[in-house]
Amino acid sequence: EVQLVESGGVVVQPGGSLRLSCAASGFTFDDYAMHWVRQAPGKGLEWVSLISWDGDSTYYADSVKGRFTTSRDNRKNSLYLQMDSLRTEDSAFYYCGKDKGGHDYRVLEYWGQGTLVTVSS
Amino acid sequence: IVLTQSPGTLSLSPGERATLSCRASQSVSSSYLAWYQQRPGQAPTLLISAVSSRATGIPDRFSGSGSGTDFTLTISRLEPEDFAVYYCQLYDSSPLFGPGTKVDVK
Repeated sequence: EVQLVESGGVVVQPGGSLRLSCAASGFTFDDYAMHWVRQAPGKGLEWVSLISWDGDSTYYADSVKGRFTTSRDNRKNSLYLQMDSLRTEDSAFYYCGKDKGGHDYRVLEYWGQGTLVTVSS
Repeated sequence: IVLTQSPGTLSLSPGERATLSCRASQSVSSSYLAWYQQRPGQAPTLLISAVSSRATGIPDRFSGSGSGTDFTLTISRLEPEDFAVYYCQLYDSSPLFGPGTKVDVK
């Protein structure tokens, strides 16, 4: 069974930094690209970032480019999101997702339950 | 590209047919369109990819269709667990989600 468990969400002040983690199990982690997607409470989904299976390629939404960094440790089956220069509009649930792969590269086949980041003074 | 979904809210009764629309501002190449369901308080789950291919374990009352700029998710007979928010997603480039359609109980 695929499991994705996010952690690290807390309340942080504007301008602060935070690192989210996602622990993966139930599949061969280093065979798949991984995503971060966020959702402000009561709002829709916003894709945040994508990292290739080997970590060599990363892609970001314009709204976070230059402030957020996605990385992975395939030895630990873990995905990370380093969030710097946080803004109030970054407040959201952050979900990690497993890519489906193949023709469906950039489809999120499985999602974690999310971790809540609140940026507030 | 901009994705729009209509209606914003669809009020139906269990057993009725639901038809949800997703429209792209430009033509979508090679069937790069997916649908997700999000129940209250839960993470999204993948329903359909490549316009019409159901994900593992998704019942056949869910079907997807369309091409070019217009896509449809149909739920043939609503079950109680189907009342949720549905998002379409384009993936021919960076993933892009539509704003969602809420299906609620009439």
